Amino acid sequence: AQKITQTQPGMFVQEKEAVTLDCTYDTSDQSYGLFWYKQPSSGEMIFLIYQGSYDEQNATEGRYSLNFQKARKSANLVISASQLGDSAMYFCAMREGLRGTGNQFYFGTGTSLTVIP
Amino acid sequence: GAVVSQHPSRVICKSGTSVKIECRSLDFQATTMFWYRQFPKQSLMLMATSNEGSKATYEQGVEKDKFLINHASLTLSTLTVTSAHPEDSSFYICSAGGQGVKAKNIQYFGAGTRLSVL
Repeated sequence: AQKITQTQPGMFVQEKEAVTLDCTYDTSDQSYGLFWYKQPSSGEMIFLIYQGSYDEQNATEGRYSLNFQKARKSANLVISASQLGDSAMYFCAMREGLRGTGNQFYFGTGTSLTVIP
Repeated sequence: GAVVSQHPSRVICKSGTSVKIECRSLDFQATTMFWYRQFPKQSLMLMATSNEGSKATYEQGVEKDKFLINHASLTLSTLTVTSAHPEDSSFYICSAGGQGVKAKNIQYFGAGTRLSVL
């Protein structure tokens, strides 16, 4: 089974509007971390936001927020006030276990976001 | 924030040559680094886990003699594509995790290396 599922291969949003990128995950671990990365056309992977499985509040980082619904195993990314520079691929990822740095990440297939002026 | 440097960003080489890609953690120590391969418009595919001072752990289907990984220090891992062929052309990207309390949970990525084998 896929560890991370992103069902939206492509999304469009009007500039200054909010957009939600979907992500569901599958794990039997109690401890895990959820991440969102942005990959512009240049190829670099830019870390956006992190949510730990024990975090009670949804993570927020500037215009990014993570809608964490543990029971539904979903970790949707919400981008508010979209900007043209937000156009990129967005990857949801999960890491099982919270200790140490050696546990691999599982990535979804990505969502291509296009912001329309 | 933590920074991972990857070099070169782009390389074009002839078939049969070997190419070395470096991944450095600039402001933290990384006992573990990861090497990924990404095909156009696809997700990242984990190739191997690079462990400082020991052998790398390769994912199923990845030839360890083809993709040599050396993690000689806590800040440097190298991936060498030996006897490169056109089918090795791809985007290769490394990642490393920081040692801070929160940074431990985050993987930071290099900018990637676009390899083109002629």
